[in-house]
Amino acid sequence: AQTVTQSQPEMSVQEAETVTLSCTYDTSESDYYLFWYKQPPSRQMILVIRQEAYKQQNATENRFSVNFQKAAKSFSLKISDSQLGDAAMYFCAYHGGATNKLIFGTGTLLAVQP
Amino acid sequence: DAMVIQNPRYQVTQFGKPVTLSCSQTLNHNVMYWYQQKSSQAPKLLFHYYDKDFNNEADTPDNFQSRRPNTSFCFLDIRSPGLGDAAMYLCATSRDKTGRNEQFFGPGTRLTVL
Repeated sequence: AQTVTQSQPEMSVQEAETVTLSCTYDTSESDYYLFWYKQPPSRQMILVIRQEAYKQQNATENRFSVNFQKAAKSFSLKISDSQLGDAAMYFCAYHGGATNKLIFGTGTLLAVQP
Repeated sequence: DAMVIQNPRYQVTQFGKPVTLSCSQTLNHNVMYWYQQKSSQAPKLLFHYYDKDFNNEADTPDNFQSRRPNTSFCFLDIRSPGLGDAAMYLCATSRDKTGRNEQFFGPGTRLTVL
């Protein structure tokens, strides 16, 4: 069965600095999708970034980028120039064809210090 | 703006008193999902509809039911809420069940059971 592991329950970063959130996953599938979702306090979950497993190039969305290491089954999120609005719970998620549903990690709570 | 709407945002019910949570979408997506999210945990998929086809997760208690009368609306019925059912309930939609298309989440309904 596929699993997603986020080993950092909490992280903290200074405003304007860079932070990296870790995620590893386990799967025997070769074709799948990986996601980072952001859930701010009392607000809805939104997609931050998505990576297709068949693409070698790391996805980038403005200040957010990923380091996708398929062989190592690692999918970390880098947030550059952190802003106060980046404070949230971040969930790493996996979607493969075997189950056709999102499998979430346990989340990392990111605090941004002014 | 196209979106996922959940009503009410906060629901208080009594132990054993049936409750219905509502989700509507203007995205015209084929798939609608219901997740249960307890404090500081990852969302847990309860079930989903692909069009009119209902798909229950194996570990979803019988106490939880769902209805999808049309494309736009989906309801979560909890027949006899217990204290352990207090949680945030998230509705999400997607164009299809593959990972090619992201899931869009509503703001959630926070259920309190007294």
